[in-house]
Amino acid sequence: GDSVTQTEGLVTLTKGLPVMLNCTYQTTYSPFLFWYVQHLNEAPKLLLKSSTDNKRTEHQGFYATLHKSSSSFHLQKSSVQLSDSALYFCALSGGAGGYKVVFGSGTRLLVSP
Amino acid sequence: ETAVFQTPNYHVTQVGNEVSFNCKQTLGHDTMYWYKQDSKKLLKIMFSYNNKQLIVNETVPRRFSPQSSDKAHLNLRIKSVEPEDSAVYLCASSSYEQYFGPGTRLTVL
Repeated sequence: GDSVTQTEGLVTLTKGLPVMLNCTYQTTYSPFLFWYVQHLNEAPKLLLKSSTDNKRTEHQGFYATLHKSSSSFHLQKSSVQLSDSALYFCALSGGAGGYKVVFGSGTRLLVSP
Repeated sequence: ETAVFQTPNYHVTQVGNEVSFNCKQTLGHDTMYWYKQDSKKLLKIMFSYNNKQLIVNETVPRRFSPQSSDKAHLNLRIKSVEPEDSAVYLCASSSYEQYFGPGTRLTVL
């Protein structure tokens, strides 16, 4: 079945440094990949999405490129801020006509002053 | 701006009781979901409805049953709750991406 792997459970960084959160996936369908961000005591919100191979997508300073050859959709930012501290989920929709959504286990990003 | 509404926000109950959660979306989407987010923050899809039709039904205990009266409403009933049902239940509406409601936090004593 479909799966999403996020290898880092926790990433801690100092403000101003770059970050990359890893996301790889497995599916036999044409993938649609998403990054969601969940701040403390809030619901997850969409950060980025893509279904286009090798095209960079950006939002709020974050960016990611879907690489179908390596089944990856890593999230990056060049300079993290304190407000970026949150839980980040990578997600895949593909199976069941696109209705089935699989989330990765999430990566918690903690940014310190 | 909230467009997916869930009630109640919190619910505390005892083992064996029945609970019901409500969800409404005003986005005009055809597809709605129920997710369970456990204490480790793992997000797992439970059910997906498209225009009142059950599309995705993951392996969840039979005591969980979704109900959809129209494409804007999706409810979740849990008969005879168990301690492991303690979690946050998130409703979502979808075109491609998911729009989540604020969640219902269930505590089973």
